[in-house]
Amino acid sequence: KAGVTQTPRYLIKTRGQQVTLSCSPISGHRSVSWYQQTPGQGLQFLFEYFSETQRNKGNFPGRFSGRQFSNSRSEMNVSTLELGDSALYLCASSRQGPLNEKLFFGSGTQLSVL
Amino acid sequence: SQQGEEDPQALSIQEGENATMNCSYKTSINNLQWYRQNSGRGLVHLILIRSNEREKHSGRLRVTLDTSKKSSSLLITASRAADTASYFCATDANTGNQFYFGTGTSLTVIP
Repeated sequence: KAGVTQTPRYLIKTRGQQVTLSCSPISGHRSVSWYQQTPGQGLQFLFEYFSETQRNKGNFPGRFSGRQFSNSRSEMNVSTLELGDSALYLCASSRQGPLNEKLFFGSGTQLSVL
Repeated sequence: SQQGEEDPQALSIQEGENATMNCSYKTSINNLQWYRQNSGRGLVHLILIRSNEREKHSGRLRVTLDTSKKSSSLLITASRAADTASYFCATDANTGNQFYFGTGTSLTVIP
């Protein structure tokens, strides 16, 4: 069974640009969560999608958005990039959601904003 | 704000020794999970312990949960160099569907 796949692995952008990251969950998993990881802030929850609906959202500005497709693949978009958006972005999938089952993580997308 | 905090932030031990790291959290939970992360990679699930459980084992891992103190500990016995990684606790905060990770403990096992 293939694991969680995140693309691209590395990304370099400049301030003001926008970026789209992709996450393909494990087959059969309907929940996809996104996290931002930085050395200073640790792992911060961005949002969680389940069956194409955003079920929960963390405390991030509206520049951060996401969506989920009917095949459970998810994308997150960051518009008007800022230097502080440089981080490792991780997605995680599970069958029903993170509350009562383990999460399977992708290897992440390392975003550098110059 | 972080729901959980690990202690210590960093830990360095010799191969073969035991490693203990602790996690404290702020609100009531349904379950608590421990994850491992190798440098710059995704997280790998280690153990899930439910709020009505006090102790759980998996191989060389032992996790305890004290809901009255809002704390958990992860014990790795007979450590190996391959155990070198960051370890995170994560909780569901018993509200909504959010999942919070702690600040992490960086473990170095010296061969």
